[in-house]
Amino acid sequence: SQQGEEDPQALSIQEGENATMNCSYKTSINNLQWYRQNSGRGLVHLILIRSNEREKHSGRLRVTLDTSKKSSSLLITASRAADTASYFCATAGNQFYFGTGTSLTVIP
Amino acid sequence: DVKVTQSSRYLVKRTGEKVFLECVQDMDHENMFWYRQDPGLGLRLIYFSYDVKMKEKGDIPEGYSVSREKKERFSLILESASTNQTSMYLCASTTWSSGATDTQYFGPGTRLTVL
Repeated sequence: SQQGEEDPQALSIQEGENATMNCSYKTSINNLQWYRQNSGRGLVHLILIRSNEREKHSGRLRVTLDTSKKSSSLLITASRAADTASYFCATAGNQFYFGTGTSLTVIP
Repeated sequence: DVKVTQSSRYLVKRTGEKVFLECVQDMDHENMFWYRQDPGLGLRLIYFSYDVKMKEKGDIPEGYSVSREKKERFSLILESASTNQTSMYLCASTTWSSGATDTQYFGPGTRLTVL
């Protein structure tokens, strides 16, 4: 059973623009994580935000969490062609639940 | 750095064969997981283990079994492979933090094709 759902399913932007992806979930969580996956490769952990945090930054990544709305967003600023990948949110509590992912294409 | 390794990157098997997928982690993590990933369906949990010789069913355990004889190794077994088990299989491990799972570390994945 999928808990996390990303929106949009696919996103195409020009290099230099910002990319925003959203994640909604259903149950209470301890933390929420964002992962990146290049085509045909494994998942890479990007950032973790705990349920008592509202915003977190890591380099060009900015993550927000709204536990009242059960939603999170991932913002990638000044995108690069190398950011082209699929991005997944995962909610962590007693188990991990992953969303279906957002496919991001950054056009050079 | 945590390292999670999987025995094969690509595997091709025939229908009815018994298939073993091996996963090894080197960080003494208690928890290990097997997922499969299919287009449009995201990651789905097959089995997980919180300790040696312990296993629990995930969301889609049918057609699979697992073995955890040592803490660092978690094996996924397809007793009789079928074409609908063609997929990318990902192994992951975590350690407990404040009584709940924390960051998962993933292996590179095994792309299994069943003919």
